[in-house]
Amino acid sequence: AQSVTQLDSHVSVSEGTPVLLRCNYSSSYSPSLFWYVQHPNKGLQLLLKYTSAATLVKGINGFEAEFKKSETSFHLTKPSAHMSDAAEYFCVVSIMDTGRRALTFGSGTRLQVQP
Amino acid sequence: GAGVSQSPSNKVTEKGKDVELRCDPISGHTALYWYRQSLGQGLEFLIYFQGNSAPDKSGLPSDRFSAERTGGSVSTLTIQRTQQEDSAVYLCASSLGGSRLAGALQETQYFGPGTRLLVL
Repeated sequence: AQSVTQLDSHVSVSEGTPVLLRCNYSSSYSPSLFWYVQHPNKGLQLLLKYTSAATLVKGINGFEAEFKKSETSFHLTKPSAHMSDAAEYFCVVSIMDTGRRALTFGSGTRLQVQP
Repeated sequence: GAGVSQSPSNKVTEKGKDVELRCDPISGHTALYWYRQSLGQGLEFLIYFQGNSAPDKSGLPSDRFSAERTGGSVSTLTIQRTQQEDSAVYLCASSLGGSRLAGALQETQYFGPGTRLLVL
């Protein structure tokens, strides 16, 4: 079985300060990992993905995430928050299990950016 | 180019009625996914189509839910005898697709805007 845990349901930061959104996963197989963002009244948008290449993955809008197998983590970071970053962020793990696709979403982290 | 489209954008129905939700994937994408996003629940995988292969229905919550994909393109998600707990945003996504092997796992999924379903 696999699971994804987003450790914070809400994160609030000030504009210009760093962002850290935490994600831990459990999987019996080598996973692919994704971060998606959902702005209010908008669809989901892929931020970045890890697929067993470089462990530090750079995404859009200055976001990046580091895959740490020893810690089973895939935390999302950004050096300096912008007001437009306020949204909900989902960590996703994808594996192949006995020929069937298994895709699990975390419960989401709502990011607030204070002026 | 055109992205994934879904219709209707909003649907209000009475408990016990059937509803159909439509998804038009990106042209040329052979993989199509349905998800449900309930308030406070996060995203839930429902079903996955890949080309002409049998769909992966492992996420469908009950036998009231079904989906089909005609001609390898447009998909319809049907909910029969709707219940209030079916109220949610239903999201469709597509990706380029391929085999069910590792490549398909690593693909970017492009999401539609969703259909907001309210069951009264």
